[in-house]
Amino acid sequence: QVQLVQSGAEVKKPGASVKVSCKASGYIFTTYFVHWVRQAPGQGLEYMGIINPSDDRTSYAQRFQGRVTMTRDTSTSTVYMELSGLRSEDTAVYYCAREAPATFHFDFWGQGTLVTVSS
Amino acid sequence: EIVLTQSPGTLSLSPGERATLSCRASQSVSSNSLTWYQQKPGQAPRLLIYAASSRATGIPDRFSGSGSGTDFTLTISGLEPEDFAVYYCQQYDNSPPQYTFGQGTNLEIK
Repeated sequence: QVQLVQSGAEVKKPGASVKVSCKASGYIFTTYFVHWVRQAPGQGLEYMGIINPSDDRTSYAQRFQGRVTMTRDTSTSTVYMELSGLRSEDTAVYYCAREAPATFHFDFWGQGTLVTVSS
Repeated sequence: EIVLTQSPGTLSLSPGERATLSCRASQSVSSNSLTWYQQKPGQAPRLLIYAASSRATGIPDRFSGSGSGTDFTLTISGLEPEDFAVYYCQQYDNSPPQYTFGQGTNLEIK
């Protein structure tokens, strides 16, 4: 069965970076896009960007450009999201989710990774 | 950037009743790219409806989506206890390419 399993919770200090992983299984890794979405405590969903595991191409939401980097490792079917210059407002649950190309919806989601930014 | 506005913010209903949730876009949206998700506390969102009106795999037929252009609706007929959750709409815009979410509707038990 399809699974997206994310890495565990992180606590970071302001100014640091965090790298969250999302390991895919149960499908052919390179045939689905992977997106990242975050959710601050008690808030709604915020889109961060996309990576195409097939060719490593990425596109980031404008408000994260310059601070976010998405990469993939095809040997382990894992996608990574690194966010730098952390501030308290980045405290959130970060989700990965997959999309069949050009279908415009996310059919499976990871369980989420809580990133807490605190001094 | 297209903005999605969901209403109401909170909807209080009883099991068995019909729920009507609205998602309004600031500009016309392709129906192919309008999606609804359900999220329960402590869980990841779950895909409900894609392409405005197509139910995802395993979603009961009491959930239905409709609409076009700037106005879209999620209807839940005959609310079950497990339906009380937060619902988000989402759309894809290709200029520039990105996804946006509505702010959510909290469907709570009355």
